[in-house]
Amino acid sequence: QSALTQPASVSGSPGQSITMSCTGTSSDVGGYNYVSWYQHHPGKAPKLLIYDVSNRPSGVSDRFSGSRSGNTASLTISGLQVEDEADYFCSSYTSSITVIFGGGTRLTVL
Amino acid sequence: EVQLVESGGREIQPGGSLRLSCAASGFTFDEFAMHWVRQSPGKGLEWVSLISWVGGYTYYSDSVKGRFTVSRDNSKNSLYLQMNSLTPEDSALYYCAKDVGLKYYYYAMDVWGQGTTVTVSS
Repeated sequence: QSALTQPASVSGSPGQSITMSCTGTSSDVGGYNYVSWYQHHPGKAPKLLIYDVSNRPSGVSDRFSGSRSGNTASLTISGLQVEDEADYFCSSYTSSITVIFGGGTRLTVL
Repeated sequence: EVQLVESGGREIQPGGSLRLSCAASGFTFDEFAMHWVRQSPGKGLEWVSLISWVGGYTYYSDSVKGRFTVSRDNSKNSLYLQMNSLTPEDSALYYCAKDVGLKYYYYAMDVWGQGTTVTVSS
């Protein structure tokens, strides 16, 4: 099964809001509520930001929010901070009873 | 403190076998499903496997099905990944990760280890 499609890169300035996308199919992103987002700083363990499309684990800043429309999920980061610069991965449960990740989006905070 | 610590990664020749381990602490291990996820150098995350909280159900990506076996020993708070018939494409940093749900699958991972590196090379 092919990876979910994410833009290779996005950028923004401190204080701005950005939104990144994650496109799949009706057999994954569009078919189930099990869509998640992770922040990954190189050399560190990934950090769960969003699960079940739009739920934030305790301790995750409310600057991070998730949504979905059809087969595309989105992660919005508001009030961009320098420390938000990282790689972001989406993932989804699939109809094959597996999990697939997106290729990742590199966020640059200018 | 909730913690996962992987071990067992090393350099190995193609066709070889390796067993990875993951030691869990700080949470009730036998109430959570566990995942293995890998990241090849310069690439993104790839889900590898999932095992239910009591170990009776296991799931694999197509790329490892038939070659890898996930297991757990809840009495030792440990997770394992037996990897056979290894190829260079299996070279990666392997993470173990805890599912969010308590006796439920959210297919989302809220606790990750630091990973253990597997290098398959002749």
